[in-house]
Amino acid sequence: EAQVTQNPRYLITVTGKKLTVTCSQNMNHEYMSWYRQDPGLGLRQIYYSMNVEVTDKGDVPEGYKVSRKEKRNFPLILESPSPNQTSLYFCATKYRGEWYEQYFGPGTRLTVT
Amino acid sequence: KNEVEQSPQNLTAQEGEFITINCSYSVGISALHWLQQHPGGGIVSLFMLSSGKKKHGRLIATINIQEKHSSLHITASHPRDSAVYICAVSGGATNKLIFGTGTLLAVQP
Repeated sequence: EAQVTQNPRYLITVTGKKLTVTCSQNMNHEYMSWYRQDPGLGLRQIYYSMNVEVTDKGDVPEGYKVSRKEKRNFPLILESPSPNQTSLYFCATKYRGEWYEQYFGPGTRLTVT
Repeated sequence: KNEVEQSPQNLTAQEGEFITINCSYSVGISALHWLQQHPGGGIVSLFMLSSGKKKHGRLIATINIQEKHSSLHITASHPRDSAVYICAVSGGATNKLIFGTGTLLAVQP
């Protein structure tokens, strides 16, 4: 079954404690992206990757890091989380190219206290 | 002003009603996407279109490229259609999606 998985699905943590949210896909998609969703602001892109070892900033990259060492995985790293990073996070994947739709993971709800 | 604007922000309908959600955009695009997000759930792609009209079951999406406008219609609405409907546009080499803020639809029995 084609799927995008994210872990954890829910996380409550404290300010400054490093965390990683994993994203994995089994569709051999080149393109992977992280978004955060906040009330009234909609979805905003954090980082994206066009292929292995190729990553670039989205609209709101501050406070986040990513890596793309394998095609199937695209982890999102918060080195020192702060309360303003409390949000709902989505990973999405697609084939590279304009005419392909994105497939979204189930979301990770992160609370930073 | 946001690059993708949706209206209305909130919509309540009675079961069986015909529903229209509108999306306007101000940037050049390759495609427009309609997405559905159920409460507490993930995001599912409903349509991706670059011209004309697409239909899937009771859902119809149209786009007018000249007017930079798209509509999502739901015929014979049902409580299970209750969700947030999100319009997004894509274009350019980065494959970036630009999202509207969504329309919260509640269909009452």
